Amino acid sequence: AQTVTQSQPEMSVQEAETVTLSCTYDTSESDYYLFWYKQPPSRQMILVIRQEAYKQQNATENRFSVNFQKAAKSFSLKISDSQLGDAAMYFCAYRPTGANSKLTFGKGITLSVRP
Amino acid sequence: DTGVSQDPRHKITKRGQNVTFRCDPISEHNRLYWYRQTLGQGPEFLTYFQNEAQLEKSRLLSDRFSAERPKGSFSTLEIQRTEQGDSAMYLCASSPFTGLMNTEAFFGQGTRLTVV
Repeated sequence: AQTVTQSQPEMSVQEAETVTLSCTYDTSESDYYLFWYKQPPSRQMILVIRQEAYKQQNATENRFSVNFQKAAKSFSLKISDSQLGDAAMYFCAYRPTGANSKLTFGKGITLSVRP
Repeated sequence: DTGVSQDPRHKITKRGQNVTFRCDPISEHNRLYWYRQTLGQGPEFLTYFQNEAQLEKSRLLSDRFSAERPKGSFSTLEIQRTEQGDSAMYLCASSPFTGLMNTEAFFGQGTRLTVV
């Protein structure tokens, strides 16, 4: 079974600084998808960034980028120029390719941004 | 608003009562998922539908839980004889699925259930 581990329960970053959120996963599959989702307080979960395992290039979305290390099964999220609106819970998630599209989530990390 | 809609947003019920939640997915999405999220944990998969067919159920979904999607549009999740351990956020998500391309899921705001 696939597992996703986020070992840091909380992190804090100064506004305008850079922060990296860690995630490791375990799977026997060679092809899959990895995601970072953001869940602001009392608001719905939204997709931040997605990575296909067959792509060696790390995904980027504006201030958000990932460091995908397939051999190490590591998938970290870097947030540059942190903003107050980045404060939220962040979840790392795994999904296999193919017809099965259910997500396996980590426990999440609470990110606070200091003004 | 064309996002995933869940109703109610909050539900407080007494132990032993039955509750039903509703999810309206994004209209063109044929896949619909239910997840449960307890405090301090990530969402855990419960079940999912493709159109009206329920394709998979997690072992977390005990006999007291039942989900339906009768016309392939909205879905309901019913919990019978609620227990305190059922207290959680119930999340619904939807995604399009063509068999060729499997895209990301879009989540609703969830229904927070408190069993007292």
